[in-house]
Amino acid sequence: DTGVSQDPRHKITKRGQNVTFRCDPISEHNRLYWYRQTLGQGPEFLTYFQNEAQLEKSRLLSDRFSAERPKGSFSTLEIQRTEQGDSAMYLCASRGRGSGANVLTFGAGSRLTVL
Amino acid sequence: GQNIDQPTEMTATEGAIVQINCTYQTSGFNGLFWYQQHAGEAPTFLSYNVLDGLEEKGRFSSFLSRSKGYSYLLLKELQMKDSASYLCAVRETAAEQGNLIFGKGTKLSVKP
Repeated sequence: DTGVSQDPRHKITKRGQNVTFRCDPISEHNRLYWYRQTLGQGPEFLTYFQNEAQLEKSRLLSDRFSAERPKGSFSTLEIQRTEQGDSAMYLCASRGRGSGANVLTFGAGSRLTVL
Repeated sequence: GQNIDQPTEMTATEGAIVQINCTYQTSGFNGLFWYQQHAGEAPTFLSYNVLDGLEEKGRFSSFLSRSKGYSYLLLKELQMKDSASYLCAVRETAAEQGNLIFGKGTKLSVKP
């Protein structure tokens, strides 16, 4: 078990470009979450998958944001036409079934800087 | 609406005890979590309370009062490595799907 992996760890892009982040959850976890965190703030919920189904989306997830989990394993978060306000740490977390199901395990995050 | 409040910063001395408070107002409640986050790293799970009372785990304890919308995290025998942000989070909805709503975090500095 290698934990939750996120790639890339850092991304610097120019305003208007598209970026994509990938998350590989813990292998037996069927639930996957995306959060955004800015400096000095707590993580803010973006979206949630159970297996391949996207079951919940925050109002923070504008139409420039799209997330997928096509085979119920890894997930991608794409931001189109990036804006400077998108600069943040994008955190992925996963959660499984059974006795450990209450706990979200987070990845180290993908830090986005939009110039 | 949703509101989770915790102090922005706290300072304590190595070897001492510190209590980090969290108050919450949410539309539902299905558990309160504490996470530790070192700068530039992932949040890591510390504790979970769903019933009133104290949960102890080594040097860390967490308390919950649902009627008061209040929790605290108690850290004993502070070590320098405990310098981090401590995040209070509430799960509003049923455990099957509910995501966590986080406070802004309390940055704890432990001094020699």
